[in-house]
Amino acid sequence: GDSVTQMEGPVTLSEEAFLTINCTYTATGYPSLFWYVQYPGEGLQLLLKATKADDKGSNKGFEATYRKETTSFHLEKGSVQVSDSAVYFCALSDPGAGTASKLTFGTGTRLQVTL
Amino acid sequence: GAVVSQHPSRVICKSGTSVKIECRSLDFQATTMFWYRQFPKQSLMLMATSNEGSKATYEQGVEKDKFLINHASLTLSTLTVTSAHPEDSSFYICSGKGGLNTEAFFGQGTRLTVV
Repeated sequence: GDSVTQMEGPVTLSEEAFLTINCTYTATGYPSLFWYVQYPGEGLQLLLKATKADDKGSNKGFEATYRKETTSFHLEKGSVQVSDSAVYFCALSDPGAGTASKLTFGTGTRLQVTL
Repeated sequence: GAVVSQHPSRVICKSGTSVKIECRSLDFQATTMFWYRQFPKQSLMLMATSNEGSKATYEQGVEKDKFLINHASLTLSTLTVTSAHPEDSSFYICSGKGGLNTEAFFGQGTRLTVV
């Protein structure tokens, strides 16, 4: 079945450092890929998405590119802020199931940004 | 974005008792509600999908008689863990979506501990 593997955390960075959180997936078809973020005490929020190969999703300075050849969707940000401290989840959805239907999640990666 | 309010955020219960978790969509009508759980160091796993007014569809391996899902209205879905045991201790999270191609919005999650 479908699966998502993301790097274990926690990831601790100083403010303004470069962030990469790796995510790879296994799927039988051509899934849509997502990054969700969960700030302390809040629900998961959609951060960005990509629906086909070579698409780049971006939001709030974060980017991720759908790489079919490496089955990856790594999350990057050039300069993190303390306010980016959160748990980040990589996810995919069944092909053709529409936006955010029946998501398959990774384990989540906790990011802690310090001054 | 839209808000899904999930309560309680944390609950501790005795083995053998039942616990009810509520999810309310505050500013949209959630025609579909998904229920996930996450064991430590594992992914969020979909437990069941429910459409308003219909019986829930459970994923393989999830006991429908143990995890009762009610989605009687477009703004409220509940998950009741019946006769809870310590192995049911987990993080439970709901998400609701208003239509086929709309984004799913997540609740804050409930940390259940069965002692």
